[in-house]
Amino acid sequence: KAGVTQTPRYLIKTRGQQVTLSCSPISGHRSVSWYQQTPGQGLQFLFEYFSETQRNKGNFPGRFSGRQFSNSRSEMNVSTLELGDSALYLCASSPRDRNYGYTFGSGTRLTVV
Amino acid sequence: AQSVTQLDSHVSVSEGTPVLLRCNYSSSYSPSLFWYVQHPNKGLQLLLKYTSAATLVKGINGFEAEFKKSETSFHLTKPSAHMSDAAEYFCVVSDSAAGNKLTFGGGTRVLVKP
Repeated sequence: KAGVTQTPRYLIKTRGQQVTLSCSPISGHRSVSWYQQTPGQGLQFLFEYFSETQRNKGNFPGRFSGRQFSNSRSEMNVSTLELGDSALYLCASSPRDRNYGYTFGSGTRLTVV
Repeated sequence: AQSVTQLDSHVSVSEGTPVLLRCNYSSSYSPSLFWYVQHPNKGLQLLLKYTSAATLVKGINGFEAEFKKSETSFHLTKPSAHMSDAAEYFCVVSDSAAGNKLTFGGGTRVLVKP
């Protein structure tokens, strides 16, 4: 079956712009989480959605937001981009919760110039 | 609060020799523990998971890990390294207090020499 699909794979944006990243989970998976990966900070949790509700949120500013649709697809939005937002953004899906394990997508590489 | 420490940032092994990647965790509640692997410019692939069943967990590609509660460790091993094992490995913890948030270790980069 198809894995977790993230689009686009690469993005280049200018400081101050906003960006929307998309994640399509594995069919039947209802939990979608987002992570930011940078060389300096490693992998950090952004937020988790389950059945269109945000269940958990990491320590990121309000410029980072997300949502989940009724088909479990999720989007992440970053407004007023800063140079430090340059990172690999990874999406992960699970049937329900941590005990099932998470399947990660290949990520979206965002570069802010 | 949950946390993970990977004791080695880099490990170098010869092809055909054993691999040991060390991980210690901190968790106030019954943790779930995972090992993920990331090849260059790729996403993360789940190697194995521990979720309170058998303490010796077997994963894909010949990897296994042992959960030791008394030592708060979850070390990853493989009897014989292959060139394709060269990648970065992450030890991950999640406990019930954190919901489904995964906390990642800093990663261990594995180099396999021919």
